[in-house]
Amino acid sequence: EPEVTQTPSHQVTQMGQEVILRCVPISNHLYFYWYRQILGQKVEFLVSFYNNEISEKSEIFDDQFSVERPDGSNFTLKIRSTKLEDSAMYFCASSIQGMGLDTEAFFGQGTRLTVV
Amino acid sequence: DAKTTQPNSMESNEEEPVHLPCNHSTISGTDYIHWYRQLPSQGPEYVIHGLTSNVNNRMASLAIAEDRKSSTLILHRATLRDAAVYYCIPNSSGGSYIPTFGRGTSLIVHP
Repeated sequence: EPEVTQTPSHQVTQMGQEVILRCVPISNHLYFYWYRQILGQKVEFLVSFYNNEISEKSEIFDDQFSVERPDGSNFTLKIRSTKLEDSAMYFCASSIQGMGLDTEAFFGQGTRLTVV
Repeated sequence: DAKTTQPNSMESNEEEPVHLPCNHSTISGTDYIHWYRQLPSQGPEYVIHGLTSNVNNRMASLAIAEDRKSSTLILHRATLRDAAVYYCIPNSSGGSYIPTFGRGTSLIVHP
């Protein structure tokens, strides 16, 4: 069965450092997403990406965040200057059509980001 | 986007059917109803979705009320592996929207 792959599974970084979280979506999917989940809290939408540009973003996705699809397979989330409150599980997802339409989205297993 | 109401938690015994309700009274006529679940320490996992008719797949069944203001996810025989948080997500099928996970229903399955 196809799957979304995320690396690394766990990343520890110092406050103020830049981190890049990587995702390999399912190969024929066109829509890509990042979500995060702070421990014990809801899964929160960050950003959606389609046709090489951001299609939607939440209030959480401020100027310190950016996304990129540098080649035909990877989808990355960059946090420029990490803060303690960025510590969370980050989930990547992909779908053929926009999530919420007549389609299913596939989520990766997540990257646990710990900012110290 | 339509607002949803789900019970915070439900309990079931293994091998018994489970009916997980969701109220989405503000849903529009073109909103699909999606269900996802999140097992402990894992990413969300698609379960099922539908628009108007009841739907079945290998994981579950989805019963949608005639007025579409509520739906019920049915697990026909709960297993321990079904212990998870279940999210009901009615999403807009037109225009821009943000796919939103609420608190969901935490399903506890007893052996």
